[in-house]
Amino acid sequence: QVQLVESGGGVVQPGRSLRLSCAASGFTFSRYGMHWVRQAPGKGLEWVALISFDGGNTYYSDSVKGRFTISRDNSKNTLFLQMNNLRTEDTAVYYCARELSYNMDVWGKGTTVIVSS
Amino acid sequence: ETVMTQSPATLSVSPGERVTLSCRASQSISSHLAWYQQKPGQAPRLLIYGASTRATGIPARFSGSGSGTEFTLTISSLQSEDFAVYYCQQYYNWPLTFGPGTKVDIK
Repeated sequence: QVQLVESGGGVVQPGRSLRLSCAASGFTFSRYGMHWVRQAPGKGLEWVALISFDGGNTYYSDSVKGRFTISRDNSKNTLFLQMNNLRTEDTAVYYCARELSYNMDVWGKGTTVIVSS
Repeated sequence: ETVMTQSPATLSVSPGERVTLSCRASQSISSHLAWYQQKPGQAPRLLIYGASTRATGIPARFSGSGSGTEFTLTISSLQSEDFAVYYCQQYYNWPLTFGPGTKVDIK
């Protein structure tokens, strides 16, 4: 079945870096764009980034632009989010999601990132 | 940035009731509007896209309508499994933005 599994979350100090991964299975990964969406504790959803099916186009929210980088390895069916210069406000559950016309039609269960000193 | 607002913030209803949730965009987004359902401790699930198209596997009791700046999600007869938070999301402008959500809980 179609599945997305995030990993790489953890506790990190402000200013440090972290890389999240999202392993895809059950569909042809290389045909789909992919999103990262996050949710701070007790808060709503915030779109973070989108990468096109071939990695040729990327889009970011203003809150992460210049600090986060979305990328993918289609040979390994894996999506990444490199997060640099982390801030306390980046604390959230990070979901990867498959793109459907700029929507998100399949979601992973999420990985938790806590930025704290 | 297109700001999405949702009303009400919380809605208390009884099973079997008809439920109408509202979503408003700060500028016209045509029909580029999606709805998601999120239950506690779970990832969101896509319900509706294109303002009115049900996603795969979504029951017919869920329907969406609207265009421009005003949108509605209707649940024709609320089932116990429908108690959740519902988010709208626009995909007409960058950045993609979500509404703050409407929580539907048991009356």
